[in-house]
Amino acid sequence: QVQLQESGPGLVKPSETLSLTCSVSGASVSSDFWSWIRQPPGKGLEWLGYLYNGGSAKYDPSLKSRVTISVDTSKNQFSLKLSSVTVADTAVYYCARGSTSLWFGEWWGQGTLVTVSS
Amino acid sequence: EIVMTQSPATLSVSPGGRATLSCRASQSVNGNLAWYQQKPGQAPRLLIYGASTRATGIPARFSGSGSGTEFTLTISSLQSEDFAIYYCQQYYIWYTFGQGTKLEIK
Repeated sequence: QVQLQESGPGLVKPSETLSLTCSVSGASVSSDFWSWIRQPPGKGLEWLGYLYNGGSAKYDPSLKSRVTISVDTSKNQFSLKLSSVTVADTAVYYCARGSTSLWFGEWWGQGTLVTVSS
Repeated sequence: EIVMTQSPATLSVSPGGRATLSCRASQSVNGNLAWYQQKPGQAPRLLIYGASTRATGIPARFSGSGSGTEFTLTISSLQSEDFAIYYCQQYYIWYTFGQGTKLEIK
């Protein structure tokens, strides 16, 4: 059984960088496709990007300039950095796994709420 | 960007009844369409992928159909645990989700 767990600060100040980590068990981050998705309070889901081939990344074009996804294979974790955050970045952030580049989320973490506020 | 539009926004159905949820894509996504169920405070749960293939462990009362731009999720014989929000997602060009349909108890 694959398990994912997000962790990181729950509060970030505007203009700063949001940083989250996803810890994975039951699968290896060196294979498959590992995504970050977010959901603003009361709203729908937005795909941010994914990690694949154990180190390559693909990002949503609208956020590409602000998003970085990286991997730590020794810890079986992958991370999200979102720079220059605003209140519009307040959301529950999920990490999730898919098997191929035709990505849909087969396994999801429970999510973590990040609030952007001064 | 492919825009996914779900209808209706809210659907009221009695337990034991049948629910039909729609998802329309702004351009063809072939069969690259997934459905998720989300309950309050929980992560989305994959129900259907490839427009009509049930994910592991998903009951047979959930069925998906459609291709191109028009897709349907049907839930027959609604159980109490089925009342939730349902999202569709295309994975043909990038990855975008619909805004969701809330299935509520009538």
